[in-house]
Amino acid sequence: AQSVTQLGSHVSVSEGALVLLRCNYSSSVPPYLFWYVQYPNQGLQLLLKYTSAATLVKGINGFEAEFKKSETSFHLTKPSAHMSDAAEYFCAVSDRRNKLVFGAGTILRVKS
Amino acid sequence: AAGVIQSPRHLIKEKRETATLKCYPIPRHDTVYWYQQGPGQDPQFLISFYEKMQSDKGSIPDRFSAQQFSDYHSELNMSSLELGDSALYFCASTNSRGSTDTQYFGPGTRLTVL
Repeated sequence: AQSVTQLGSHVSVSEGALVLLRCNYSSSVPPYLFWYVQYPNQGLQLLLKYTSAATLVKGINGFEAEFKKSETSFHLTKPSAHMSDAAEYFCAVSDRRNKLVFGAGTILRVKS
Repeated sequence: AAGVIQSPRHLIKEKRETATLKCYPIPRHDTVYWYQQGPGQDPQFLISFYEKMQSDKGSIPDRFSAQQFSDYHSELNMSSLELGDSALYFCASTNSRGSTDTQYFGPGTRLTVL
């Protein structure tokens, strides 16, 4: 069985500060890992994905994530937060061609 | 680029009524997934279809059924609606012949049961 744990249901950063959203996964097979972003009352937009290629994955809007097998982590980072980054972020895991298992989500607040 | 289309976007029903949600996948995508996201919750997998056959089943109530049609669109049928069925229902599609099987999500259907 696969699972995802997102540490911190709410994260608050100042505009221009580093964004770090934590995700740890559990999987019995080599995982595929994803980060999705959800703006209020909208659908899920793919930010980036890890599929066993490069361990450092770059996504849209300046986000990136690093797959660390030894730590079973896939933390999401962005060097400089922007007000438009305020949203809810979901980490998800799958074992290919199968359902996504989501974490509980982290709400990112960006202070001006 | 074409995205996943879901209809209706909003739906209000009374308890014990039925509802049908529709999903039109991205062209050439052969796999459809349905997820339910309750208020303040993460999305939970309900059911998936590959080439018109059910491929996986999650926490879908017996009151719900779904199918995928020959044009690959999918419908989620919900009967005897309960207050707890109020949620955002997402459809996602993927091309199983693709290299990464990334699931692309539609905008969701917000179901409110009164």
